[in-house]
Amino acid sequence: GAGVSQSPSNKVTEKGKDVELRCDPISGHTALYWYRQSLGQGLEFLIYFQGNSAPDKSGLPSDRFSAERTGGSVSTLTIQRTQQEDSAVYLCASSPLGGMAGEQFFGPGTRLTVL
Amino acid sequence: RKEVEQDPGPFNVPEGATVAFNCTYSNSASQSFFWYRQDCRKEPKLLMSVYSSGNEDGRFTAQLNRASQYISLLIRDSKLSDSATYLCVVNRRGGSNYQLIWGAGTKLIIKP
Repeated sequence: GAGVSQSPSNKVTEKGKDVELRCDPISGHTALYWYRQSLGQGLEFLIYFQGNSAPDKSGLPSDRFSAERTGGSVSTLTIQRTQQEDSAVYLCASSPLGGMAGEQFFGPGTRLTVL
Repeated sequence: RKEVEQDPGPFNVPEGATVAFNCTYSNSASQSFFWYRQDCRKEPKLLMSVYSSGNEDGRFTAQLNRASQYISLLIRDSKLSDSATYLCVVNRRGGSNYQLIWGAGTKLIIKP
C-alpha cells in the first residue's frame, strides 16, 4: 500500500518568507510526528499528533513554527519568517500506535533551504 | 551530556566481519528501545525493537542492559548493503507524556 508522502520534496525560499510543508500519513495511522534533521545530525523532534488529543508541541523551536492535522489525516507544518538556521530536512512519520511506542513509518522528507 | 549518546563513527569494517556498537541513555525512566537504519539521504526505517531479554533477527542481535543503561546492536557476517547510519531511539515517559529521544547515529561502512 501507499506509504507516507511529503510535499514538496525540495523547497528553496528566501529569508523572511513563510513556507508550508505537507504530510500525507498512511491511512488509518493515528499517530503523526514531525522531525527535522540537519546534515550529519540526528532527528530533532518537533511535534506529535495522536488521534483527537491535543498535540505535543514540546519540540517546536520557536513560535514561528506551527502545525495542524486536519481530520486526523493530512498535516501541514508552517514556518513563518524563515531563517537560515531553519534549513534542514523535515521528516514526517506516522504510526498505527500511540504513546510513541510503535514502529514509525517515515516519508521521504522535504529538504528546505533558506537563502 | 545528551540523553541518548552514540559513537558517531565511522566504523570501517571488512565484509564478512562482525561489528557491534552501543547506545547509552541517561534517563532510567526509559521504557522502549529501537534501532533504526538510515541510508544516505534517505528516511529512517525500523531495523528492530530491543526487548529486555535480547532479540535476534537473522544476522542482527539487539540487547538491552538496564543496569548500565545501554543498548547494543551486533551485526554478524556483515554485507556491503549493511553500510548505513544506525540510529538508537529511546521512548520514555516524561510527566504525563511519552517522549521519543533519538541518538545522532553511528555510521557503518562495510568495505569489500
